[in-house]
Amino acid sequence: EPEVTQTPSHQVTQMGQEVILRCVPISNHLYFYWYRQILGQKVEFLVSFYNNEISEKSEIFDDQFSVERPDGSNFTLKIRSTKLEDSAMYFCASSLLGGPHSPLHFGNGTRLTVT
Amino acid sequence: AQKITQTQPGMFVQEKEAVTLDCTYDTSDQSYGLFWYKQPSSGEMIFLIYQGSYDEQNATEGRYSLNFQKARKSANLVISASQLGDSAMYFCAMRDYLTGTASKLTFGTGTRLQVTL
Repeated sequence: EPEVTQTPSHQVTQMGQEVILRCVPISNHLYFYWYRQILGQKVEFLVSFYNNEISEKSEIFDDQFSVERPDGSNFTLKIRSTKLEDSAMYFCASSLLGGPHSPLHFGNGTRLTVT
Repeated sequence: AQKITQTQPGMFVQEKEAVTLDCTYDTSDQSYGLFWYKQPSSGEMIFLIYQGSYDEQNATEGRYSLNFQKARKSANLVISASQLGDSAMYFCAMRDYLTGTASKLTFGTGTRLQVTL
């Protein structure tokens, strides 16, 4: 069964450094998402992406964050200058359709630790 | 604004018993989808089951079924014949058209299920 893959599984970085989290969505999916989950807490929406542009972003997704689909397969989340509070599990997800009747399929996540 | 409420932070169930995890939702949209995800301790997010707002039958997927009561805006997950491997966090989530073209999934706070011998 096709799956969303994320790399790396764990990233440790120093405060102020830039990180890029990588995702390969399911190949025929057209809608892409990033979510984050601070340890033991709620899963929070960051951004959705369709047709090579951001469809929606949350208030968490400030100027420190950016997303890109640099080629036909990868989807990346960049955090420009990491803060301690960016430590979380980051999930990439994709869906075939953008409407409400298609599930999002999630990758296994990247655990980001900012020291 | 859409909202998902899961009022049970934790639940215990004995192996082989059935358990119901509660979820209520709030949306003003007529067309929406309700989803349940399982998150084991290893951290991945696994899609379990989907119910569409226009579906008249309750969704079923193996040991999972969704008790959909539209008038009450509830979408409870029923797990039958619980197994030790069912121990995990379970999230209820919803998508609707109100949030735009690439409809985002909004999650509840989750219920941690522990299956005991």
